[in-house]
Amino acid sequence: NAGVTQTPKFRILKIGQSMTLQCTQDMNHNYMYWYRQDPGMGLKLIYYSVGAGITDKGEVPNGYNVSRSTTEDFPLRLELAAPSQTSVYFCASSYPSSGTDFFNQPQHFGDGTRLSIL
Amino acid sequence: QQPVQSPQAVILREGEDAVINCSSSKALYSVHWYRQKHGEAPVFLMILLKGGEQKGHDKISASFNEKKQQSSLYLTASQLSYSGTYFCGTSPLGIQGAQKLVFGQGTRLTINP
Repeated sequence: NAGVTQTPKFRILKIGQSMTLQCTQDMNHNYMYWYRQDPGMGLKLIYYSVGAGITDKGEVPNGYNVSRSTTEDFPLRLELAAPSQTSVYFCASSYPSSGTDFFNQPQHFGDGTRLSIL
Repeated sequence: QQPVQSPQAVILREGEDAVINCSSSKALYSVHWYRQKHGEAPVFLMILLKGGEQKGHDKISASFNEKKQQSSLYLTASQLSYSGTYFCGTSPLGIQGAQKLVFGQGTRLTINP
Protein backbone atom coordinates (compact mmCIF):
# COMPACT_ATOMS: atom_id res chain seq x y z
CA ASN A 1 0.00 0.00 0.00
CA ALA A 2 2.05 2.97 -1.33
CA GLY A 3 -0.17 5.91 -0.22
CA VAL A 4 1.21 9.26 -1.49
CA THR A 5 4.42 9.03 -3.52
CA GLN A 6 6.59 12.04 -4.36
CA THR A 7 9.50 12.20 -6.77
CA PRO A 8 12.28 13.23 -6.72
CA LYS A 9 13.29 13.15 -3.04
CA PHE A 10 16.09 15.70 -3.51
CA ARG A 11 16.92 18.20 -6.24
CA ILE A 12 19.28 21.09 -6.77
CA LEU A 13 18.31 23.68 -9.39
CA LYS A 14 20.03 26.72 -10.77
CA ILE A 15 18.28 30.08 -10.72
CA GLY A 16 15.98 30.40 -13.73
CA GLN A 17 15.63 26.67 -14.38
CA SER A 18 12.27 24.93 -14.40
CA MET A 19 11.16 21.57 -13.03
CA THR A 20 8.12 19.50 -12.19
CA LEU A 21 7.61 17.83 -8.82
CA GLN A 22 5.62 14.65 -9.20
CA CYS A 23 2.93 13.41 -6.81
CA THR A 24 0.74 10.36 -7.17
CA GLN A 25 -1.65 8.62 -4.76
CA ASP A 26 -3.28 5.22 -4.92
CA MET A 27 -6.03 5.74 -2.32
CA ASN A 28 -8.67 7.09 -4.75
CA HIS A 29 -8.74 10.39 -2.85
CA ASN A 30 -10.52 13.29 -4.52
CA TYR A 31 -8.67 16.07 -2.74
CA MET A 32 -4.97 16.70 -3.23
CA TYR A 33 -2.70 19.46 -1.93
CA TRP A 34 0.74 20.97 -2.33
CA TYR A 35 2.48 22.57 0.65
CA ARG A 36 5.87 24.12 1.17
CA GLN A 37 7.69 24.07 4.48
CA ASP A 38 10.57 26.47 5.09
CA PRO A 39 13.14 25.57 7.81
CA GLY A 40 11.64 25.74 11.30
CA MET A 41 8.27 26.86 9.98
CA GLY A 42 4.80 25.46 9.46
CA LEU A 43 3.20 24.28 6.23
CA LYS A 44 1.98 26.80 3.67
CA LEU A 45 -0.64 25.74 1.11
CA ILE A 46 0.45 26.42 -2.48
CA TYR A 47 -2.37 24.88 -4.54
CA TYR A 48 -5.09 22.33 -3.98
CA SER A 49 -7.50 20.29 -6.08
CA VAL A 50 -10.93 18.86 -5.25
CA GLY A 51 -10.98 16.54 -8.24
CA ALA A 52 -9.66 15.92 -11.74
CA GLY A 53 -9.76 19.12 -13.79
CA ILE A 54 -10.37 21.38 -10.76
CA THR A 55 -7.59 23.33 -9.06
CA ASP A 56 -7.44 26.45 -6.91
CA LYS A 57 -4.84 28.69 -5.32
CA GLY A 58 -3.74 28.45 -1.72
CA GLU A 59 -1.81 30.95 0.42
CA VAL A 60 1.42 31.13 -1.63
CA PRO A 61 0.75 30.27 -5.32
CA ASN A 62 3.08 32.78 -7.00
CA GLY A 63 5.81 31.12 -9.07
CA TYR A 64 4.02 27.76 -9.25
CA ASN A 65 1.51 26.01 -11.51
CA VAL A 66 -0.46 22.80 -11.16
CA SER A 67 -2.66 20.55 -13.24
CA ARG A 68 -4.91 17.62 -12.34
CA SER A 69 -5.76 15.47 -15.35
CA THR A 70 -6.36 12.27 -13.34
CA THR A 71 -7.52 11.43 -9.82
CA GLU A 72 -4.12 9.88 -9.03
CA ASP A 73 -1.66 12.56 -10.17
CA PHE A 74 -1.11 16.17 -9.10
CA PRO A 75 2.19 17.56 -10.46
CA LEU A 76 3.60 20.91 -9.31
CA ARG A 77 5.50 23.01 -11.84
CA LEU A 78 8.15 25.58 -10.94
CA GLU A 79 8.88 28.06 -13.71
CA LEU A 80 11.97 30.28 -13.49
CA ALA A 81 13.22 28.97 -10.15
CA ALA A 82 14.27 31.58 -7.56
CA PRO A 83 16.29 31.18 -4.31
CA SER A 84 13.12 32.03 -2.32
CA GLN A 85 11.64 28.75 -3.54
CA THR A 86 14.25 26.72 -1.67
CA SER A 87 12.09 24.62 0.63
CA VAL A 88 10.71 21.17 1.38
CA TYR A 89 7.61 20.44 -0.68
CA PHE A 90 4.93 18.08 0.59
CA CYS A 91 2.05 16.63 -1.38
CA ALA A 92 -1.01 15.37 0.50
CA SER A 93 -4.38 13.81 -0.26
CA SER A 94 -7.67 13.35 1.59
CA TYR A 95 -11.39 12.44 1.37
CA PRO A 96 -12.11 9.02 -0.05
CA SER A 97 -14.56 9.40 -2.91
CA SER A 98 -16.99 6.99 -1.23
CA GLY A 99 -16.55 8.36 2.29
CA THR A 100 -19.57 8.95 4.51
CA ASP A 101 -17.93 11.33 6.98
CA PHE A 102 -17.38 14.23 4.61
CA PHE A 103 -15.99 16.77 7.06
CA ASN A 104 -13.78 14.52 9.11
CA GLN A 105 -11.04 13.32 6.77
CA PRO A 106 -7.33 13.51 7.63
CA GLN A 107 -4.69 14.53 5.12
CA HIS A 108 -2.12 11.88 4.17
CA PHE A 109 1.31 13.27 3.35
CA GLY A 110 4.05 12.06 1.05
CA ASP A 111 7.69 11.97 2.21
CA GLY A 112 8.50 15.33 0.63
CA THR A 113 10.88 16.74 -1.97
CA ARG A 114 13.84 18.73 -0.69
CA LEU A 115 14.57 21.44 -3.24
CA SER A 116 17.54 23.81 -3.23
CA ILE A 117 17.91 26.64 -5.72
CA LEU A 118 21.37 28.13 -6.09
CA GLN B 1 -4.92 34.18 9.32
CA GLN B 2 -2.33 31.78 10.76
CA PRO B 3 -3.27 30.20 14.10
CA VAL B 4 -0.91 30.82 16.99
CA GLN B 5 0.57 27.88 18.85
CA SER B 6 1.97 27.99 22.37
CA PRO B 7 4.42 27.23 23.71
CA GLN B 8 6.91 27.34 20.82
CA ALA B 9 9.03 24.67 22.47
CA VAL B 10 8.89 22.45 25.52
CA ILE B 11 11.32 20.00 27.11
CA LEU B 12 10.04 17.23 29.35
CA ARG B 13 11.28 14.16 31.12
CA GLU B 14 9.71 10.86 30.16
CA GLY B 15 6.45 10.39 32.06
CA GLU B 16 5.62 14.08 32.41
CA ASP B 17 2.54 15.73 30.90
CA ALA B 18 2.34 18.46 28.26
CA VAL B 19 -0.31 20.79 26.88
CA ILE B 20 -0.03 22.49 23.50
CA ASN B 21 -2.46 25.26 22.57
CA CYS B 22 -3.67 26.48 19.19
CA SER B 23 -5.58 29.77 18.98
CA SER B 24 -7.29 31.46 16.06
CA SER B 25 -8.70 34.94 15.57
CA LYS B 26 -11.27 33.53 13.09
CA ALA B 27 -14.31 31.37 13.75
CA LEU B 28 -13.32 27.79 13.06
CA TYR B 29 -15.05 24.74 11.68
CA SER B 30 -12.34 22.22 12.43
CA VAL B 31 -8.87 21.78 13.92
CA HIS B 32 -6.44 19.11 12.72
CA TRP B 33 -3.43 18.00 14.76
CA TYR B 34 -0.29 16.47 13.19
CA ARG B 35 3.11 15.37 14.52
CA GLN B 36 6.26 15.65 12.46
CA LYS B 37 9.59 14.05 13.33
CA HIS B 38 12.75 15.64 12.01
CA GLY B 39 13.21 15.01 8.29
CA GLU B 40 9.92 13.16 7.96
CA ALA B 41 6.39 13.88 6.74
CA PRO B 42 3.64 15.11 9.09
CA VAL B 43 1.55 12.30 10.54
CA PHE B 44 -2.12 12.71 11.38
CA LEU B 45 -3.17 12.58 15.04
CA MET B 46 -6.79 13.71 15.23
CA ILE B 47 -9.46 16.11 13.97
CA LEU B 48 -11.87 18.10 16.11
CA LEU B 49 -15.00 19.67 14.65
CA LYS B 50 -16.90 22.68 15.95
CA GLY B 51 -19.22 21.78 18.75
CA GLY B 52 -16.64 21.74 21.53
CA GLU B 53 -15.92 18.02 21.39
CA GLN B 54 -13.04 16.20 22.96
CA LYS B 55 -11.17 13.27 21.45
CA GLY B 56 -8.37 11.00 22.43
CA HIS B 57 -6.53 7.79 21.80
CA ASP B 58 -3.87 6.12 23.89
CA LYS B 59 -2.45 8.94 26.06
CA ILE B 60 -2.96 11.78 23.58
CA SER B 61 -6.20 13.73 23.65
CA ALA B 62 -7.48 17.09 22.47
CA SER B 63 -10.30 19.54 23.04
CA PHE B 64 -11.91 22.31 21.00
CA ASN B 65 -13.32 25.35 22.79
CA GLU B 66 -15.63 26.96 20.24
CA LYS B 67 -16.21 30.10 22.32
CA LYS B 68 -12.48 30.83 22.54
CA GLN B 69 -11.66 29.45 19.05
CA GLN B 70 -8.90 27.47 20.72
CA SER B 71 -7.85 23.84 20.65
CA SER B 72 -5.56 22.15 23.16
CA LEU B 73 -3.56 18.95 22.70
CA TYR B 74 -2.87 16.95 25.88
CA LEU B 75 0.00 14.45 26.09
CA THR B 76 -0.19 12.36 29.26
CA ALA B 77 2.71 10.38 30.73
CA SER B 78 4.85 11.28 27.74
CA GLN B 79 6.99 8.65 26.03
CA LEU B 80 10.25 9.12 24.11
CA SER B 81 8.32 8.42 20.90
CA TYR B 82 6.23 11.58 21.46
CA SER B 83 9.20 13.80 20.58
CA GLY B 84 8.72 15.88 17.46
CA THR B 85 7.07 19.06 16.25
CA TYR B 86 3.31 19.34 16.66
CA PHE B 87 1.26 21.38 14.21
CA CYS B 88 -2.34 22.45 14.32
CA GLY B 89 -4.16 23.12 11.07
CA THR B 90 -7.35 25.14 11.13
CA SER B 91 -10.27 25.33 8.72
CA PRO B 92 -12.42 28.46 8.99
CA LEU B 93 -16.20 28.38 8.87
CA GLY B 94 -17.55 28.58 5.33
CA ILE B 95 -15.00 26.44 3.46
CA GLN B 96 -15.17 23.27 5.49
CA GLY B 97 -15.68 21.09 2.46
CA ALA B 98 -12.34 21.98 0.89
CA GLN B 99 -10.21 21.26 3.96
CA LYS B 100 -8.17 24.31 3.05
CA LEU B 101 -6.07 24.24 6.19
CA VAL B 102 -3.95 27.02 7.62
CA PHE B 103 -1.17 25.63 9.80
CA GLY B 104 0.38 27.11 12.92
CA GLN B 105 4.12 27.59 13.27
CA GLY B 106 4.56 24.42 15.30
CA THR B 107 5.52 23.42 18.85
CA ARG B 108 8.74 21.49 19.27
CA LEU B 109 8.44 18.82 21.97
CA THR B 110 11.56 17.14 23.33
CA ILE B 111 11.22 14.17 25.68
CA ASN B 112 14.34 13.21 27.62
CA PRO B 113 14.85 9.89 29.45
